[in-house]
Amino acid sequence: AIQMTQSPSSLSASVGDRLTITCRASQGISDDLGWYQQKPGKPPKLLVSDTSRLETGVPSRFSGSRSGTGFTLTISSLQPEDFATYYCLQDSNYPLSFGGGTRVDIK
Amino acid sequence: QLVQSGTEVKKPGESLKISCKGSGYSFAGYWIAWVRQMPGKGLELMGIIYPGDSDTRYSPSFQGQVTMSADKSVSTAYLRWSSLEASDSAMYYCAKSKVGTTTVFNYWGQGTLVTVSS
Repeated sequence: AIQMTQSPSSLSASVGDRLTITCRASQGISDDLGWYQQKPGKPPKLLVSDTSRLETGVPSRFSGSRSGTGFTLTISSLQPEDFATYYCLQDSNYPLSFGGGTRVDIK
Repeated sequence: QLVQSGTEVKKPGESLKISCKGSGYSFAGYWIAWVRQMPGKGLELMGIIYPGDSDTRYSPSFQGQVTMSADKSVSTAYLRWSSLEASDSAMYYCAKSKVGTTTVFNYWGQGTLVTVSS
């Protein structure tokens, strides 16, 4: 099974900061990775699919990229509504697997 | 578009079936995933089911522990336990696959909270 190692597990940031969250796959998964945002008490929300395809309605400050088996979600300028937990999900091979999550708190 | 059944409080050893009803789209034509979130923990993909033909794929950790099913006539997917354990206490989400994909999930149910306690 493919393991997804997500880092950091948590971070504190300020409004306006540039943020980078990383997921590394234990083997190649092409571009078959999505990023999900979850706020407390709510279901996850799909932000990005296929490594870099932004979902309709997701602000352009979010972006995704890949280098080899490493995947990055970048928030260019953190906004108050972005404080949440973020998860990657590899959807290349069964069983599908989530990263451990990155909790983004207000500094 | 996905409405899940309500909170459940059960005792160890009891059986349980929770549901996820789709509306506003062709239920049979899109994969449904079940995702577990234990208290204060991350997301775990339990498995996926295609309601059109009930093709089902379990994640190894959940194989034999739960049963996924779907009834396309009532646009509803189900997750069933035959004998609950305290460790099954969690929030369970269903999610629908995005158009043209199997494993990208763009609509989620509100979640069903399951508490198992003696």
